Amino acid sequence: NAGVTQTPKFQVLKTGQSMTLQCAQDMNHEYMSWYRQDPGMGLRLIHYSVGAGITDQGEVPNGYNVSRSTTEDFPLRLLSAAPSQTSVYFCASSPGQGYGQPQHFGDGTRLSIL
Amino acid sequence: AQTVTQSQPEMSVQEAETVTLSCTYDTSESDYYLFWYKQPPSRQMILVIRQEAYKQQNATENRFSVNFQKAAKSFSLKISDSQLGDAAMYFCAYRSALDSGGGADGLTFGKGTHLIIQP
Repeated sequence: NAGVTQTPKFQVLKTGQSMTLQCAQDMNHEYMSWYRQDPGMGLRLIHYSVGAGITDQGEVPNGYNVSRSTTEDFPLRLLSAAPSQTSVYFCASSPGQGYGQPQHFGDGTRLSIL
Repeated sequence: AQTVTQSQPEMSVQEAETVTLSCTYDTSESDYYLFWYKQPPSRQMILVIRQEAYKQQNATENRFSVNFQKAAKSFSLKISDSQLGDAAMYFCAYRSALDSGGGADGLTFGKGTHLIIQP
């Protein structure tokens, strides 16, 4: 059972480039989310989804897009990378609407924007 | 909006001793969930313990236990018999039990406490 898989693990981009961070889970979880972790900070919610076709913004959504076409996948898109988006990104999933359920995290993607 | 505060950026404890990590939170809600996550140098986020606000009994998982004081909005983590493998960042997190929408869903994290285990 792979759990939550994030790819790539590391990425370096130039300012203005676009890219997609991939997230897939094989636990049939309805709830999926993206967080970013900056030095000295806890994780902050970027976007989340409560099921296929349904997404909503979190605390820090600007500069990021998401879509949820299947239960398994929840990609995060950076449309025009900026140095302020240098961070470690975590994808997480949990059963149902996720409220009280522990979230299962991927191993993270370290993204550097030059 | 809810906030979570971890006032100890770093804590150090001798191996085999007990350490308590502090967490306070601010919310106007009465129904919610609280979590402690561990993040070792490998960067993984590992659930340590979970507490439901409507349960008065403090959660316990082996050497890990919490002191949940709802009125004081306090949720501390006690680690007994500390082991070298406990060295990590520890994050306290809050999750509403309501679908508040508008960007408020998901976990709200504190800034973390770096726990050092002295051999």
